[in-house]
Amino acid sequence: DAKTTQPNSMESNEEEPVHLPCNHSTISGTDYIHWYRQLPSQGPEYVIHGLTSNVNNRMASLAIAEDRKSSTLILHRATLRDAAVYYCILRDNFNKFYFGSGTKLNVKP
Amino acid sequence: DGGITQSPKYLFRKEGQNVTLSCEQNLNHDAMYWYRQDPGQGLRLIYYSQIVNDFQKGDIAEGYSVSREKKESFPLTVTSAQKNPTAFYLCASSILGGNQPQHFGDGTRLSIL
Repeated sequence: DAKTTQPNSMESNEEEPVHLPCNHSTISGTDYIHWYRQLPSQGPEYVIHGLTSNVNNRMASLAIAEDRKSSTLILHRATLRDAAVYYCILRDNFNKFYFGSGTKLNVKP
Repeated sequence: DGGITQSPKYLFRKEGQNVTLSCEQNLNHDAMYWYRQDPGQGLRLIYYSQIVNDFQKGDIAEGYSVSREKKESFPLTVTSAQKNPTAFYLCASSILGGNQPQHFGDGTRLSIL
């Protein structure tokens, strides 16, 4: 069974914020939450990661629920270049990454 | 520039043949990974390695084999035992430790003639 659950697709308007949800109810205390995005026929690109606290970087913000059973990737102002498949992933203590099926984000001009 | 190089980008195989996909990294990463991606699907782990001369099976290792003789290299062989090998194959590497991201190559697309 997948360790993470994400909606299959989401749509956003350009220049508006996007909140991409992820459920990981079986997360263990030492699992890190990673987010990647993938364009067609390319390898995934790292976006952001965190353990317990909310995180910000130049690409996005990551909001982690207090019980760590869910998280949200926030793109503050979506652009057309943000259209991609976004993966929420758990990384365990044994250096394994668990990919879900991802959310396809469509950005409308 | 440091990165991961996968070759070739496109590969064609005849039925019954083994074929080897190359993955090289110059990031000095200890861990390396092979994933398979089918159209419209997420990534599934085939094999991973955390140290030279050691590797572990992932979720879909049947019909595949790997070696890790050098830190920089982690080739994947798709054997004739893999009955449905047509897919997009991605190689990745990372520093050991949960707070370290993976870096991916650009992938190899394998097709059966």
